[in-house]
Amino acid sequence: SAVISQKPSRDICQRGTSLTIQCQVDSQVTMMFWYRQQPGQSLTLIATANQGSEATYESGFVIDKFPISRPNLTFSTLTVSNMSPEDSSIYLCSVGGGEPNSPLHFGNGTRLTVT
Amino acid sequence: GENVEQHPSTLSVQEGDSAVIKCTYSDSASNYFPWYKQELGKGPQLIIDIRSNVGEKKDQRIAVTLNKTAKHFSLHITETQPEDSAVYFCAAPSGNTPLVFGKGTRLSVIA
Repeated sequence: SAVISQKPSRDICQRGTSLTIQCQVDSQVTMMFWYRQQPGQSLTLIATANQGSEATYESGFVIDKFPISRPNLTFSTLTVSNMSPEDSSIYLCSVGGGEPNSPLHFGNGTRLTVT
Repeated sequence: GENVEQHPSTLSVQEGDSAVIKCTYSDSASNYFPWYKQELGKGPQLIIDIRSNVGEKKDQRIAVTLNKTAKHFSLHITETQPEDSAVYFCAAPSGNTPLVFGKGTRLSVIA
């Protein structure tokens, strides 16, 4: 399966600031997704990162708060904007799911703490 | 959309015993059911998956069973070892959403 690298692995940020998380895959992939995992919770899909077009956001997530870029088939960024303590979570990049009944593979995530 | 319920939320077993985690799903059209293991500080790792054309799949000490009629599937870990301690998630696809996840089970294997 593809090797997924995320940077930074963790960060502590001040409220009101923004953080951009990078996701690099070692091979071209059709589908890339961003998930959020709040402390001690399950994974929730934020959006699908579409190459060459605007991301597709899930209910409860908006582009102004979580802008996403996908300039090519191996790279994507997620920005968490105007952060508040409620944004403290693990943000996970994942790839796969392009074919029916195919698995998702995840990076190790970015652990964000907002103070 | 799909709703995935997972239980128990925590599970403690003695080393060498078996562990069973159960999930139910709501969308009868779902036909792919993966299980993930998440260790501390890491992302979820796929450990086994099953498609709806089979009722059981095994991989060494891990097995998954699927009952499509009842809409539930289970993860079975036999001869548990301390390194099996982690959080386990079940998942199922939902419409255009690649996977909807259960709330997770924290498994502790006591040596």
